[in-house]
Parts: sequence; structure tokens; C-alpha cells
Amino acid sequence: GAGVSQTPSNKVTEKGKYVELRCDPISGHTALYWYRQSLGQGPEFLIYFQGTGAADDSGLPNDRFFAVRPEGSVSTLKIQRTERGDSAVYLCASSPGLHTGTEAFFGQGTRLTVV
Amino acid sequence: DAKTTQPNSMESNEEEPVHLPCNHSTISGTDYIHWYRQLPSQGPEYVIHGLTSNVNNRMASLAIAEDRKSSTLILHRATLRDAAVYYCILRGLIQGAQKLVFGQGTRLTINP
Repeated sequence: GAGVSQTPSNKVTEKGKYVELRCDPISGHTALYWYRQSLGQGPEFLIYFQGTGAADDSGLPNDRFFAVRPEGSVSTLKIQRTERGDSAVYLCASSPGLHTGTEAFFGQGTRLTVV
Repeated sequence: DAKTTQPNSMESNEEEPVHLPCNHSTISGTDYIHWYRQLPSQGPEYVIHGLTSNVNNRMASLAIAEDRKSSTLILHRATLRDAAVYYCILRGLIQGAQKLVFGQGTRLTINP
């Protein structure tokens, strides 16, 4: 596929459960970003990777949230002990590098609902 | 993170030009001005970006004030498909300033 792919597209989970959200970036893109978006709000930054390392994780709200990108391609956002307030659309984006002139390409998002 | 200010909403008519303003009075010399838009139920989509000079592409034009404290995204002939939330974002060069920081954006409504 040519674009950023996120799976699943929808996820319903019970409060307290663990979830993993997957992002497949565009091939060759070294920078990868995670955002979450609540209804009526702009996307909120969570973390971004340059290669395998997290270059900035300042947006992760607490230690229940963790993200990995072990081989510098696919990334997984992990949420432990989910809470109802975690319900949102989680967006992933990738870009060719961290040069500020390059555009970021976003996936369609994963809608997470915690019941 | 450098901040931008945009009107919450704007309305225009189909086939007319639309000018979407953005104020960024605290912009630094190395900040790029990026515009993204988000159609309903989709992820944000890149529109255009610039540093100092005005920019044109197939989607839109970006007019940047001489002092760089404001910019305007111009849709030359709006269609119904242009109805979306438009985000003006500053993106810096230094480590930690390279992430895209979204504000509330401008919700653009296009009337047929």
C-alpha cells in the first residue's frame, strides 16, 4: 500500500484491559508520529520516533502509555489498564525525515472505545 | 511550542475564493508555516508549507506577511470537497520543535 496503514480501524475494550494499536508507515520514512484526537479537538501530540528511537515522548500522558518501533518501521502504541478517558481516535503519521520542510502523511486512525 | 491563532469557523460559497487567516506573532526565524486540513472521519492531510516567500501548489496558495507574523491560506475556487477543518502549524528546526502541534483550527463550511 502507498499510504500509512493503521490497524485495527476500530477497537472496543473494557476498562482495565491492555490494548495495542499498530502503525505501518510509508516505506522508507524514518520519522513516525503518534497523536490522539478527541471529538471536536485538534490532534494532540503523543510521541515521535526518528528511526528506532523515541526522539520526543513528551506528549505521553502517563506511564500507562508506551510506544515502540523496534526495527525502525512498524510502530505499536501500547496502553495498559485502559480508562474511559482514553477513548479517542489514535492517529499515526510518517515523514521522510525530520527536516521541517517535509510533509507528514497521516493514516485513517484507530478509534478506541473503552467501555 | 510556538502558537498560532485562527478563527474558529468560516463560511464561503462554492466556486468563490476563500482566505483563511492565521496569526503567529511569536514565530522564530527558523519556523516553517505548515497548513493541514482534516476532512470528516479522516486523518489530517498536508496542504502547503512555506518559510518566507509566497507558495503555490495544486491545492492552494500560501501568502506570508513580510514580518512573518501572519499568513493566509488561499483556496482559489472552493468546492464542496474543501469543507474541512484547516490547521495552521509552526514547525521548527531545533530538536523537540519538529513535531506538528495542532491547535483548534478553522472549520470551513462551503455553501452550494
